[in-house]
Amino acid sequence: NAGVTQTPKFQVLKTGQSMTLQCAQDMNHNSMYWYRQDPGMGLRLIYYSASEGTTDKGEVPNGYNVSRLNKREFSLRLESAAPSQTSVYFCASSEIGDNSPLHFGNGTRLTVT
Amino acid sequence: TQLLEQSPQFLSIQEGENLTVYCNSSSVFSSLQWYRQEPGEGPVLLVTVVTGGEVKKLKRLTFQFGDARKDSSLHITAAQPGDTGLYLCAGAVSNSGNTPLVFGKGTRLSVIA
Repeated sequence: NAGVTQTPKFQVLKTGQSMTLQCAQDMNHNSMYWYRQDPGMGLRLIYYSASEGTTDKGEVPNGYNVSRLNKREFSLRLESAAPSQTSVYFCASSEIGDNSPLHFGNGTRLTVT
Repeated sequence: TQLLEQSPQFLSIQEGENLTVYCNSSSVFSSLQWYRQEPGEGPVLLVTVVTGGEVKKLKRLTFQFGDARKDSSLHITAAQPGDTGLYLCAGAVSNSGNTPLVFGKGTRLSVIA
């Protein structure tokens, strides 16, 4: 059982380049999330999708776009990467409900030079 | 303003010692979750507390939810090197089931053999 799978694991971009981070879950969860994790800042929510067909902004959405491709897949796109977007990106999924735990992937470490 | 404040930010202790980490807020949460994250991996759920005053035990780990549901603590008895990691608390503010979790910045624990 793979859980939440993120690709790629590592990526280096130059300022202005674009890329898409992929995320897929095999647990039939309704909700999916993208977080970024920076030293001393904890996990900050970028975008989330409460259910298939919906997406909403989180705390730090600027510079990002998302697509909920189907129930399994939720991608995060950087149209024009900036050094401030250097971070570790985590995708997570959960069932709907406040007590539902988040299941995280192992992250994508992105460096923008 | 951070909705969830965790303290201490860093903690380094000897094997066998006891420790407590705290998660505090001025907001009321419908539930609170604790996660542990190891290097290179995503956070993994340890426990969810739902009822004010609730105490849950997971082997040497004891979790408590404050009576007013504004704070929580994690106590580790006789810490072991395997307890080393980043401990994150996360709260659900509403009962709607549609509001994403808010994370604290974490407590980084190092247990020295």
